Amino acid sequence: GENVEQHPSTLSVQEGDSAVIKCTYSDSASNYFPWYKQELGKRPQLIIDIRSNVGEKKDQRIAVTLNKTAKHFSLHITETQPEDSAVYFCAARGSTLGRLYFGRGTQLTVWP
Amino acid sequence: GAVVSQHPSWVICKSGTSVKIECRSLDFQATTMFWYRQFPKQSLMLMATSNEGSKATYEQGVEKDKFLINHASLTLSTLTVTSAHPEDSSFYICSARDIGLAGPSYNEQFFGPGTRLTVL
Repeated sequence: GENVEQHPSTLSVQEGDSAVIKCTYSDSASNYFPWYKQELGKRPQLIIDIRSNVGEKKDQRIAVTLNKTAKHFSLHITETQPEDSAVYFCAARGSTLGRLYFGRGTQLTVWP
Repeated sequence: GAVVSQHPSWVICKSGTSVKIECRSLDFQATTMFWYRQFPKQSLMLMATSNEGSKATYEQGVEKDKFLINHASLTLSTLTVTSAHPEDSSFYICSARDIGLAGPSYNEQFFGPGTRLTVL
């Protein structure tokens, strides 16, 4: 099955700086890569996603890049704000039953 | 976007009792729903994939007799934790895919708000 690795596990940045979270996956058949933001005690919220036929996607301060050859994808948050503080999960959609395989998560803290 | 609800949002029960959690897609139909468990400061771990009208597919290590899943309609799946014990205390989250979506949204999973289970 798919194996998703996520780094770093914790990330602290100053307000206004950029934050980058990286993930790798193992199954070359995976074709959909969402990123979720989860605040304490709440549901994961989809913040951006990318399909395997696209290399980069941007939505305001958030961007995701995908390198299919190397099997890695990254989340980029620019001009970070304290409200960006949360746990971020990457995921890959495998070829089996449409299930998502999640990374271990990154605790992002943005200091004012 | 599509809305998924869960009931109850939290439950406290005594060891040995059974607890049922409902997951509903409110404004769309879902042939497939997913049940996750999340322990504090950990990732979402898929427990099972719930298929409407057929048996659920359980992940390795998840006891199907302990975690009973029923997906009787296109908008409702239930997870019953039987004979719950303190180690079953966790945050249980369901998600669903909208079979009516096409294009870029086809792959998206919509998550419920989660159910916090505490077993005393």
